[in-house]
Amino acid sequence: AQSVTQLDSQVPVFEEAPVELRCNYSSSVSVYLFWYVQYPNQGLQLLLKYLSGSTLVKGINGFEAEFNKSQTSFHLRKPSVHISDTAEYFCAVSEPPQGGSEKLVFGKGTKLTVNP
Amino acid sequence: DSGVTQTPKHLITATGQRVTLRCSPRSGDLSVYWYQQSLDQGLQFLIHYYNGEERAKGNILERFSAQQFPDLHSELNLSSLELGDSALYFCASSATGLAGTGELFFGEGSRLTVL
Repeated sequence: AQSVTQLDSQVPVFEEAPVELRCNYSSSVSVYLFWYVQYPNQGLQLLLKYLSGSTLVKGINGFEAEFNKSQTSFHLRKPSVHISDTAEYFCAVSEPPQGGSEKLVFGKGTKLTVNP
Repeated sequence: DSGVTQTPKHLITATGQRVTLRCSPRSGDLSVYWYQQSLDQGLQFLIHYYNGEERAKGNILERFSAQQFPDLHSELNLSSLELGDSALYFCASSATGLAGTGELFFGEGSRLTVL
């Protein structure tokens, strides 16, 4: 069964500092990987996804993530954060459909707080 | 705005009661997913419907049931409610149930409080 571990439940950083949010997954087969963001009082929104190809994936709002198969990781990075990046970030994994479902398994989330 | 509409946004009820949460997916999306978000369990997948048919079940209790109607809207029914059912319930939709791209569009959620 798939599982996702987000190693940090909370990450405080100062504005314009770089940030890395860590995500490790476990799966016995090849996977698709995703990062979603949840702003306060909103639903989740897709930041970026890895399906295949280049292991460095660029997403919206200046975020990027790198898929590392040997380390089963998919860490999210941004070189310079803004106050508006304050949100909760969720890593998710999906196994290519078996039986016609694209169920996503989510990590428990990392709360990123950007301070002035 | 994701295009996914959930009602009600907030709901307060008592233990033992039954509630229905409603979800309208984005126009044209055939798949509807239900997730439960709580502080201790995080985001838990409950169930997935594709074009009216159940496709996958997750950690959904027997007291909970769902369906997807011909117009593609979905309802999640929660019965014999317990305090532990208090959570944020999200509906998400996607264009397909088969392609495995995994991009889900989430509604803003229905916050259920059981007293």
